[in-house]
Amino acid sequence: GAVVSQHPSRVICKSGTSVKIECRSLDFQATTMFWYRQFPKQSLMLMATSNEGSKATYEQGVEKDKFLINHASLTLSTLTVTSAHPEDSSFYICSEKATGAYNEQFFGPGTRLTVL
Amino acid sequence: AQSVAQPEDQVNVAEGNPLTVKCTYSVSGNPYLFWYVQYPNRGLQFLLKYITGDNLVKGSYGFEAEFNKSQTSFHLKKPSALVSDSALYFCAVRDDAGNNRKLIWGLGTSLAVNP
Repeated sequence: GAVVSQHPSRVICKSGTSVKIECRSLDFQATTMFWYRQFPKQSLMLMATSNEGSKATYEQGVEKDKFLINHASLTLSTLTVTSAHPEDSSFYICSEKATGAYNEQFFGPGTRLTVL
Repeated sequence: AQSVAQPEDQVNVAEGNPLTVKCTYSVSGNPYLFWYVQYPNRGLQFLLKYITGDNLVKGSYGFEAEFNKSQTSFHLKKPSALVSDSALYFCAVRDDAGNNRKLIWGLGTSLAVNP
């Protein structure tokens, strides 16, 4: 399957700072990327869907000004958590897929964000 | 509305025994069904999918799943469980109505294989 990398794998920051998480498709041109958030022992919560070159579509309840998503190229998408607070601490996972409802998604290894 | 149900939060099975992780779904169109596995503090790995054709789908690590249209189920199975299979398993569905429709996820089932 496709290889997706995420950086950093783990980040600890102070409350009020911004954190950028990168998601790279290493061997695949992803037309669509997804950003998920996962709480301990819980399922995935889709935050937003982004298509290369266009604005991300955010799920209901997700603040677009809080979680900035940029999908500037077919191989790179970034999620910036702005003015992070302790409640933003979570496991963030990116995912990509090619066009076609029958295609599976490939996931990055995730980023553990801890806001102090 | 589209939905996925994984009725068991946790499944415990002895090593060497067969395992089943249950999944039922509801979609408006034809379903595309997926199973993923997540090891601790890791992203998800694709196991297998059903798109069309043979109802029994074989995937990675010896796993298989059977699509049952009348029961709207897609249970994950393995004939002989390994301790290393212990992980969190997610079932997901997407209908065939659009190219970039999002996956609908089950809540996950934690599988514990005991030595």
